[in-house]
Amino acid sequence: AQSVSQHNHHVILSEAASLELGCNYSYGGTVNLFWYVQYPGQHLQLLLKYFSGDPLVKGIKGFEAEFIKSKFSFNLRKPSVQWSDTAEYFCAVNRGSSNTGKLIFGQGTTLQVKP
Amino acid sequence: EPEVTQTPSHQVTQMGQEVILRCVPISNHLYFYWYRQILGQKVEFLVSFYNNEISEKSEIFDDQFSVERPDGSNFTLKIRSTKLEDSAMYFCASFEDRLISTQYFGPGTRLTVL
Repeated sequence: AQSVSQHNHHVILSEAASLELGCNYSYGGTVNLFWYVQYPGQHLQLLLKYFSGDPLVKGIKGFEAEFIKSKFSFNLRKPSVQWSDTAEYFCAVNRGSSNTGKLIFGQGTTLQVKP
Repeated sequence: EPEVTQTPSHQVTQMGQEVILRCVPISNHLYFYWYRQILGQKVEFLVSFYNNEISEKSEIFDDQFSVERPDGSNFTLKIRSTKLEDSAMYFCASFEDRLISTQYFGPGTRLTVL
């Protein structure tokens, strides 16, 4: 079955530190890849997405992610985090050929940024 | 920017009672979804809905669950007889085109079953 793994469950960083959150998926076909963020008390918001083309995608708030097909990975990065980046981050995948477009989520990574 | 809305934001119910969670997807969207997130766990797909019928459902979505789009704007999730383990955050999502667009999520309804 298709699955998504996020390696880091809880990450604590100081402001200005660099961030990389790992995401791997298990599906050999065409996939669409997403990172969503959930700020405390708020709903899931899209940070960035990859459908095709340049494997390095840029999203909102200075985030970027790189799709490495050979590694089945889509890691999220930010060069310098801010306190306001404290949130839960979810990697998600759907199959490019899916009839329904359902998303399969990773278990999430809680990011805590200390001021 | 258009958004998905959900009501209520928090629902408390007794075990065995029926609940209806409501969602208003973005108006030109065609695909609708319910997901849930049990506290501390991952977001799980429940059901997808297109063209007025269920297009896919997970094994979680058993006979106690049903979905409906009663009036062309609302999209509801009904749980007929709630169980303690149904306590979770329920998210509605919609998108316009499954191949190229993005799913937009509502703020969620926190369901607490006592």
